[in-house]
Amino acid sequence: EPEVTQTPSHQVTQMGQEVILRCVPISNHLYFYWYRQILGQKVEFLVSFYNNEISEKSEIFDDQFSVERPDGSNFTLKIRSTKLEDSAMYFCASRRRYLAGYTDTQYFGPGTRLTVL
Amino acid sequence: GQQVMQIPQYQHVQEGEDFTTYCNSSTTLSNIQWYKQRPGGHPVFLIQLVKSGEVKKQKRLTFQFGEAKKNSSLHITATQTTDVGTYFCAAVIQGAQKLVFGQGTRLTINP
Repeated sequence: EPEVTQTPSHQVTQMGQEVILRCVPISNHLYFYWYRQILGQKVEFLVSFYNNEISEKSEIFDDQFSVERPDGSNFTLKIRSTKLEDSAMYFCASRRRYLAGYTDTQYFGPGTRLTVL
Repeated sequence: GQQVMQIPQYQHVQEGEDFTTYCNSSTTLSNIQWYKQRPGGHPVFLIQLVKSGEVKKQKRLTFQFGEAKKNSSLHITATQTTDVGTYFCAAVIQGAQKLVFGQGTRLTINP
């Protein structure tokens, strides 16, 4: 069964450093998402991406964050200058398509645990 | 923004007992999804409810969507140790189709 993959599984970085989290969505999916989950808390929406542009972003997704789909397969989340509070599990998700009145399942990747020291 | 409240935060049961988690929203939801997250794992889709009053079953799991489409519940009959994990409801927001998650209910089971 196709699945979303993410690399690395764990990233440790120093405060102020840039990190890039990578995701490979399921190949025929068109909608891509990043969510984050601080340890022990709920999953929070960061950003959605469709047709090579951001379709929606949350308050968390400030100027320090950016997303890119540099080629036909990868979907990346960049944090320019990491802060201690960015430490969390970051999940990528993808969805096939949207049909009026119907919502496709979002498939989540295994996550990247980001630790900012 | 859209808020989804989920209770209880924690539930500890004896194996074989039933378990229920509830989600509530102050606004009408177009649909709601349920996810299970095992410790150290990622959210795994369980089911989606769309229609008012809808009830769906998956073996020992029963999912309900309220008549007013503002609340939902997940009920597990006769829990097993494999049911351990955190159960999240997630409201689907139209447009970008982002998911707004509830706080989750962490289920632990005494064998």
